[in-house]
Amino acid sequence: KNEVEQSPQNLTAQEGEFITINCSYSVGISALHWLQQHPGGGIVSLFMLSSGKKKHGRLIATINIQEKHSSLHITASHPRDSAVYICAVHFGNEKLTFGTGTRLTIIP
Amino acid sequence: EAQVTQNPRYLITVTGKKLTVTCSQNMNHEYMSWYRQDPGLGLRQIYYSMNVEVTDKGDVPEGYKVSRKEKRNFPLILESPSPNQTSLYFCASSLLSRAPTGELFFGEGSRLTVL
Repeated sequence: KNEVEQSPQNLTAQEGEFITINCSYSVGISALHWLQQHPGGGIVSLFMLSSGKKKHGRLIATINIQEKHSSLHITASHPRDSAVYICAVHFGNEKLTFGTGTRLTIIP
Repeated sequence: EAQVTQNPRYLITVTGKKLTVTCSQNMNHEYMSWYRQDPGLGLRQIYYSMNVEVTDKGDVPEGYKVSRKEKRNFPLILESPSPNQTSLYFCASSLLSRAPTGELFFGEGSRLTVL
């Protein structure tokens, strides 16, 4: 079965800390998305990865195809980074399977 | 402004009363898709479309219909809504029709309550 697992489910950290959120999947994929959902519900795309690493501002996303694992890192975290972060995967086709999300809270 | 627009944003209806949630994008995207989000279950794909007149089922298509008669529009139809379809619905689009589809652009969501 094609599955996506995220960890941790919840994460609370102090402002300025380095944050890592993990996503593991069960079989080979064609691409992986990292999404951000703020309280109030809107969803924003952060990254789409097929291989390697991408960086945008304080956000870094990496993917290891052999280990079937991706990480989202946030450097110098800020309270405005508080949100739910969601991993979504294309298992070789156009369907998307989602992880259940990681709720991040950054305390000032 | 590039955007995906869903309507209505909020709707309360009763069991069995047909309803349509509209989704429109102004970016000439090939790929459009519908998702529902439920507490504890996360986001799940309902239907997706790779282009005009090309649609396919996602993981939870039961009770829903879609159509793609124009590239910009992808309405979600609930022919006979039931309370288990109470949920938060999102439409999304992206440029390409083949995975990887490119960056996903989401609508603001439609909160549906079926009594």
